[in-house]
Amino acid sequence: DTGVSQDPRHKITKRGQNVTFRCDPISEHNRLYWYRQTLGQGPEFLTYFQNEAQLEKSRLLSDRFSAERPKGSFSTLEIQRTEQGDSAMYLCASSPKRLATDTQYFGPGTRLTVL
Amino acid sequence: AQKITQTQPGMFVQEKEAVTLDCTYDTSDPSYGLFWYKQPSSGEMIFLIYQGSYDQQNATEGRYSLNFQKARKSANLVISASQLGDSAMYFCAMREESFGNEKLTFGTGTRLTIIP
Repeated sequence: DTGVSQDPRHKITKRGQNVTFRCDPISEHNRLYWYRQTLGQGPEFLTYFQNEAQLEKSRLLSDRFSAERPKGSFSTLEIQRTEQGDSAMYLCASSPKRLATDTQYFGPGTRLTVL
Repeated sequence: AQKITQTQPGMFVQEKEAVTLDCTYDTSDPSYGLFWYKQPSSGEMIFLIYQGSYDQQNATEGRYSLNFQKARKSANLVISASQLGDSAMYFCAMREESFGNEKLTFGTGTRLTIIP
């Protein structure tokens, strides 16, 4: 199994620009999660998908954020009109969730810097 | 209220010694899971160990063990015979498992440095 992959690994953008990140989960994992991690903090949950359905969204996910998983495989996270406060590491994870013990496997993250 | 508390921002340990990383949690859900992840400087979160709230025995995975004390709501990670490659951030996380909840709630982490 290849692991979770994320693209790009780093993104520098100017305030007000739109950015889009991609996540490819481990194949056959039907659950996909997005988290955000700011400096000195643990990851914070943003949203998750079961197949193509987005089942939960955190209140951290403002109207400027949108996530999709159109065919139940890869996912994209778009941030519109970026703000400096959006600077963070965006982590994607996937899980088969067949058992209660199934954990989430994380990708390497996309580090976003908003100037 | 903080659901996961990691009180040790940083720890320095001599190579080959055992180390305990502290984690306390707060939940009213009777069904929950506790996780430990390692995050090296590269940024990827690496799963280490899982403990379910109904598990009778402490979880072990190689050099990692989880000291689960349910009454005290603590889930400390023990790393035996530490190695230089263990230097990283370590995060404790909880998943409240009733009602189909999927999200992990993380603590603020402990930075572990192994000294040669």
